[in-house]
This record gives sequence, C-alpha cells and structure tokens, in this order.
Amino acid sequence: NAGVTQTPKFRILKIGQSMTLQCTQDMNHNYMYWYRQDPGMGLKLIYYSVGAGITDKGEVPNGYNVSRSTTEDFPLRLELAAPSQTSVYFCASRTQGFGNTIYFGEGSWLTVV
Amino acid sequence: KNEVEQSPQNLTAQEGEFITINCSYSVGISALHWLQQHPGGGIVSLFMLSSGKKKHGRLIATINIQEKHSSLHITASHPRDSAVYICAARGSNYQLIWGAGTKLIIKP
Repeated sequence: NAGVTQTPKFRILKIGQSMTLQCTQDMNHNYMYWYRQDPGMGLKLIYYSVGAGITDKGEVPNGYNVSRSTTEDFPLRLELAAPSQTSVYFCASRTQGFGNTIYFGEGSWLTVV
Repeated sequence: KNEVEQSPQNLTAQEGEFITINCSYSVGISALHWLQQHPGGGIVSLFMLSSGKKKHGRLIATINIQEKHSSLHITASHPRDSAVYICAARGSNYQLIWGAGTKLIIKP
C-alpha cells in the first residue's frame, strides 16, 4: 500500500493563480481531511469528507474548494491564491468506525508570492 | 480556552531522561490520538487510545477518561526522539480537535 499520497510536494504560486493539490489514498478509507499548518502553529481543518460525494467545511474553508467523486481521491482547489494561503498542507484519511488510526500524507509546501 | 491543551509547549532534556508530555481535554471524546511530527514535516500516528494504556517500544501512552487527561511518556530518550508531539481528541462527530503540540528536543 502506498498509503496517502499528496502532490505536488512543493509549489510556488503567484497571487491570483489557481491550483489543485492532489490527494489519493489506497486504503479504502471513508474519511478524508485537508489541513493546513502555518509556521509554528497547529493543524487547522480546511475541509473534510465522510465518503464519496459528501464533503463539508472545516475551520478555515475560505479560499478553498474540494470534491470527492471517488473514495480514493480528495483534491483541494485553491482559487485566486493569496499570500495568506502560504502554508503546508496535509491530507489525511482513516476508516469509518470507532477509534481508527489516522494516516497522513507527507505534506505539500505552498508559497504564494 | 482551547478544548485540547498540551503541556509543556516546549521541552528540552538530556539523552536518557524520562519524558512526559501531557494532554488535557474539556470535551467528551471517543478516542484520543498521539502523533509525532518530525522537523521535515511528516506526521506519523503513534497511538490511538480510548482507555487505559498502550506501549510501543520506548513510548507509553495513558489516558484517564474520568479526569479527561492523557500522557505520553518516552523512556530512555534519544536525540532521534526530537520532534513535535501532538495530541488530538476525537469527539462524537467526524472531526479531530488538535492540541497545539509540544516541541521536544533531546540533547546528546
């Protein structure tokens, strides 16, 4: 199993550009999450999904969109990138059910200039 | 006040010392996770527990549901244990409530 795979690992965007962070998991997990982590800070939830076709906002959804057309994929779309979106982005997944381990991707470092 | 509080925020110790990191939460939970984030950024799940105690190598995690408190212990600490340790509480919904993390530095 590859686990949770995120791409790209690093990206520099100009203000106003758009891009998609890809996230794929091969563990047949129902629950998937996107987090951002600013320097020296904890994780903040952007969006999450409890299954294909179902997504919902987290703490900091503004400026982002997601879709979940398949169980495996949970892409995060940044529209009109702003410097405030400079951060490290983590995708995570876990199975449905009581107390299951959460698996993280390796992170995507995004800089908006 | 955050729903999940970790202490200490920063901890520096000498190699070999016994390490304790604490996590207190104010919400009802179904499970509590301990995770490790290395300087390179990767996040790894260490433990998921809902009661009692779990041990993996030199790491031990305990939880007291009545007191809403969990601890992560590291025995015979080593410089490679240097990382940020994060606790996260899972409530009745799908989301996790994250602590701010404890930055641990083990000096040789």
